[in-house]
Amino acid sequence: AQKVTQAQTEISVVEKEDVTLDCVYETRDTTYYLFWYKQPPSGELVFLIRRNSFDEQNEISGRYSWNFQKSTSSFNFTITASQVVDSAVYFCALSRNQAGTALIFGKGTTLSVSS
Amino acid sequence: GAVVSQHPSRVICKSGTSVKIECRSLDFQATTMFWYRQFPKQSLMLMATSNEGSKATYEQGVEKDKFLINHASLTLSTLTVASAHPEDSSFYICSARDRGGNSPLHFGNGTRLTVT
Repeated sequence: AQKVTQAQTEISVVEKEDVTLDCVYETRDTTYYLFWYKQPPSGELVFLIRRNSFDEQNEISGRYSWNFQKSTSSFNFTITASQVVDSAVYFCALSRNQAGTALIFGKGTTLSVSS
Repeated sequence: GAVVSQHPSRVICKSGTSVKIECRSLDFQATTMFWYRQFPKQSLMLMATSNEGSKATYEQGVEKDKFLINHASLTLSTLTVASAHPEDSSFYICSARDRGGNSPLHFGNGTRLTVT
């Protein structure tokens, strides 16, 4: 069975602080995809990243960075120099490497950035 | 880029009425679409997988007679909440994958259903 655990329910930081959102997953598949989505108060899901299980390289995109550690089944997300606009719910998700399969989401982490 | 359009974005209806939500892939063909439900401050839970031209596959605990899914074409899937009740009030989100197989999932903007 597949499972995604986001242990942090809520995180509050002050602007310009760095923050890391944790994601631990479980799967028996040898190949799979991992995702991060942002959900602002308006509700839509904003795609942030997709990572293939074969690719363990860390990735940086502006203030965002992702640390994929297959050995610990973790795919953590760091926001550097957080801003108020980063306030949202962030979801980590997992899918099988197979056509027609859905994403399994974690419970999400609510990030609040205050000025 | 690929876009999924979901309509309506918000609906308020009285208990007992049926509500239809549409999910369209605008610039790609989607053989498979997924319907999720999200209760306030909770995660997205997969309700069903909609396959073009065949019956939907429902997740355990989701009533197929309550949540009717029709995927009549490669660009349109509909979710009908039959005889809606207040406990059906939720945020419903559809997603679709380009028939290319392992392409990313694209999500609609969601429909907030309130049943009074």
